[in-house]
Amino acid sequence: GQQVMQIPQYQHVQEGEDFTTYCNSSTTLSNIQWYKQRPGGHPVFLIQLVKSGEVKKQKRLTFQFGEAKKNSSLHITATQTTDVGTYFCAGPSRGGSNYKLTFGKGTLLTVNP
Amino acid sequence: EAQVTQNPRYLITVTGKKLTVTCSQNMNHEYMSWYRQDPGLGLRQIYYSMNVEVTDKGDVPEGYKVSRKEKRNFPLILESPSPNQTSLYFCASSFSGASNTGELFFGEGSRLTVL
Repeated sequence: GQQVMQIPQYQHVQEGEDFTTYCNSSTTLSNIQWYKQRPGGHPVFLIQLVKSGEVKKQKRLTFQFGEAKKNSSLHITATQTTDVGTYFCAGPSRGGSNYKLTFGKGTLLTVNP
Repeated sequence: EAQVTQNPRYLITVTGKKLTVTCSQNMNHEYMSWYRQDPGLGLRQIYYSMNVEVTDKGDVPEGYKVSRKEKRNFPLILESPSPNQTSLYFCASSFSGASNTGELFFGEGSRLTVL
């Protein structure tokens, strides 16, 4: 079945440093979503990318969808302590129901103030 | 307020004692899903439902049942819980009925411990 792999598993940065997490799928994705989960909280939707090569920005966050629609990245510029949490990517499965949304294992970001 | 509500939020039970975790959404969403979250394993889909009376297995359905008799409710049933079902469970819903899944709204989570 489809696998969605995320790296790194953990990332610790100093406040003000940049951060990037990468997501790779074993199959082509019709779209990819990103979520953030604060410690002790629930996942919250950040964005959905649909088009090949798409780049979207949300303030200090930049999301990219690869040309082949098999990989994606989330980049945070100048991290802040409010960015702490686990970032997940998720993609619908292919070859079956598109409603089977598979999540990567997530990247846990910690920020040292 | 648009939300997904799960109950109970916390539960400690014993092996074999049937339990139900309820999930209700007030956004008229067609799609609903259950996930379990375990350390190092991320979010794994248990079951999902595309509409009333339409359910399908996710990646880890063993030991669980679901039903979707009404659009707003999607209970998760553990007929005979076992310790390996100790986990944090999330219910989620989405409006999209098309091939592209829309934004998932998650409940607050239900932490289940099976002794």
